Amino acid sequence: AQSVAQPEDQVNVAEGNPLTVKCTYSVSGNPYLFWYVQYPNRGLQFLLKYITGDNLVKGSYGFEAEFNKSQTSFHLKKPSALVSDSALYFCAVRDDGSGGYQKVTFGIGTKLQVIP
Amino acid sequence: KAGVTQTPRYLIKTRGQQVTLSCSPISGHRSVSWYQQTPGQGLQFLFEYFSETQRNKGNFPGRFSGRQFSNSRSEMNVSTLELGDSALYLCASSLVSGNADTQYFGPGTRLTVL
Repeated sequence: AQSVAQPEDQVNVAEGNPLTVKCTYSVSGNPYLFWYVQYPNRGLQFLLKYITGDNLVKGSYGFEAEFNKSQTSFHLKKPSALVSDSALYFCAVRDDGSGGYQKVTFGIGTKLQVIP
Repeated sequence: KAGVTQTPRYLIKTRGQQVTLSCSPISGHRSVSWYQQTPGQGLQFLFEYFSETQRNKGNFPGRFSGRQFSNSRSEMNVSTLELGDSALYLCASSLVSGNADTQYFGPGTRLTVL
């Protein structure tokens, strides 16, 4: 069974500082990894995904994520946080299908609070 | 290009009733997935449909069902509602039913069961 862990319920960071939102995963095959953001009373918005290739993936709104196969991690990062980045962030994983068709599994979510 | 739309946006029902939620995917998208989001459980996968066929199903009781029409629009139905069914129900569409395919989410339907 595949799983995703987001170990921090909430991350607080000062505006202008770098931010990191952590994610680790477990799949039987090769992973496809996703990050989504959810603003209050809204659906999820896609930020970025890792399929294969370069371990550093760049996405929307200045976010990037680093895939680390040995640590089975896919942490979300941004060099300089904005107050408008305050939202709920979800990491998701999907098996590459070598173990059979798999659904997408989401983490529990991490609330990011950027302090002015 | 219009995004994923979900109707209605808000619903209030009482225990024992049934409810039908609708999702219209992005034009050209053939895969629709449904999720239940609650503060305690996060996002839980309900089911996925592709070309009118259920491709995968999560661990929910049979009271939760869905279907997809030939135009890719999808509905989910919950019968004999329970208080614990109160949640935000999210629909996501993707171009095909592939592992690397990006899912695009609708705004959700907020269901409250009294």
